[in-house]
Amino acid sequence: EAQVTQNPRYLITVTGKKLTVTCSQNMNHEYMSWYRQDPGLGLRQIYYSMNVEVTDKGDVPEGYKVSRKEKRNFPLILESPSPNQTSLYFCASSLADTRDYNEQFFGPGTRLTVL
Amino acid sequence: GQNIDQPTEMTATEGAIVQINCTYQTSGFNGLFWYQQHAGEAPTFLSYNVLDGLEEKGRFSSFLSRSKGYSYLLLKELQMKDSASYLCAVRDRDYNYGQNFVFGPGTRLSVLP
Repeated sequence: EAQVTQNPRYLITVTGKKLTVTCSQNMNHEYMSWYRQDPGLGLRQIYYSMNVEVTDKGDVPEGYKVSRKEKRNFPLILESPSPNQTSLYFCASSLADTRDYNEQFFGPGTRLTVL
Repeated sequence: GQNIDQPTEMTATEGAIVQINCTYQTSGFNGLFWYQQHAGEAPTFLSYNVLDGLEEKGRFSSFLSRSKGYSYLLLKELQMKDSASYLCAVRDRDYNYGQNFVFGPGTRLSVLP
C-alpha cells in the first residue's frame, strides 16, 4: 500500500531533550516536506527536500533540523525542544515535477507536547 | 509577504451547494491546491488549478483567477461526510527554485441535516 508513515504518533517530552520524528514513504517520491499545524495558523512549512542531499528552509525552520540521506526517509530533528514547538506535525511527499499538480501525500501526523 | 485568507467557519445544509473562498498574496505562483482534512486526520488532495478558470471533479469544482489572487472551492449536493476543514494552498516556486507551499488557515465546514 502506498503510504507515508511517521513515528512516533504521539510524544510528550521535556524542554531541551533532543528528539527525532521519523518519516518514510514507499512511493519513490523525490519531494518530501515537514509541516506543523497550529490552531488558527494552518499548516506551515518547516523544511522541504527536492531530492537526496537537497534540503531547503520553509517558512518556519528555526529550532528544527532535517536530513535526506536516503530517498525514502526524511527525519525531523529537534535538538533542544521548547514549549512553543508543541504542535501537530505532518510529513508529506510527492513527485517533484512541478509541470503538473503532483499532489502531496501526507503522513498520519505526530502530536508533540513539550513541557 | 505571504498571505492566504479563508473564512474560518461555514455552515450549510445537506443537499445544498457551498462556496469556500480563498484569496492569496504570495511572492510567486505555480499552482493552487485545495485539500480536505477531517478532524484528527491528515489532509487529502481535492483539486489543483494553475490556469484561470474552472476545474470540475464530480461534486467538487475549483476556480482560479490569477489576476485577482482568488480561488474558490464549490461543493455540490452536500453530504454529512463533507463536514471537514478545507485548506487552500499556493505553491509559490517552480522546480528550479525549490517547491515551497503556503497554506491558508483552513475553513471548517459543518454540514447540518
